[in-house]
Amino acid sequence: EVQLVESGGGLVKPGGSLRLSCAASGFSFSRYTMNWVRQAPGKGLEWVSSISSSSSSIYYADSLKGRFTVSRDNTRNSLYLQINSLRAEDTAVYYCARDFGSSYGSILDYWGQGALVTVSS
Amino acid sequence: SSELTQDPAVSVALGQTVTITCQGDSLRDYYASWYQKKPGQAPVLVVYAKNFRPSGIPDRFSGSTSGNTASFTITGAQAEDEADYYCNSRDSTNDHVIFAGGTKLTVL
Repeated sequence: EVQLVESGGGLVKPGGSLRLSCAASGFSFSRYTMNWVRQAPGKGLEWVSSISSSSSSIYYADSLKGRFTVSRDNTRNSLYLQINSLRAEDTAVYYCARDFGSSYGSILDYWGQGALVTVSS
Repeated sequence: SSELTQDPAVSVALGQTVTITCQGDSLRDYYASWYQKKPGQAPVLVVYAKNFRPSGIPDRFSGSTSGNTASFTITGAQAEDEADYYCNSRDSTNDHVIFAGGTKLTVL
């Protein structure tokens, strides 16, 4: 069974940093592109970042570039998101999601339950 | 960069058919995927590519594409279908993942 479990969320002061983790199991993690997607309270889904299976291709949403760093460790079946200089508007549930891997487009077929990040003083 | 747009809210009577649309230039190059999102739960992929459903997704859910518009249809809406629905695709100019703003579906 495919499982994605996020951790590392919590309450952080503005300007602080946080590293989210996503532990993957039940599939060959090293073969898949992975994504981070977030949802702020009362808002829609917002794609944050993608990282290819070998980390050779990394993308970030234009509005977030510079403060977010995605990485992965295929030996540990884990995905990470480092967020620096946190702002109130970064408050959201952060999901990791697997990319099905298709030329048809973006197909995020498995999602974790999410990690809540709250930025507040 | 490309954008995808959806109507913010749609309603449907119990047992009737409803269609949610998603528009954007990227849909001329890539198919849309559709996700169901309920409060407090993770998004669930319900329809993808030409018109495929993951295992366990009811066959009352279907999708189609024409030009720059993707459509998601529920044939015989059930009370449990009340949720937010999001389409997404890939931006053909920069390979980024893009999401539309979502449609809140109310089942009356």
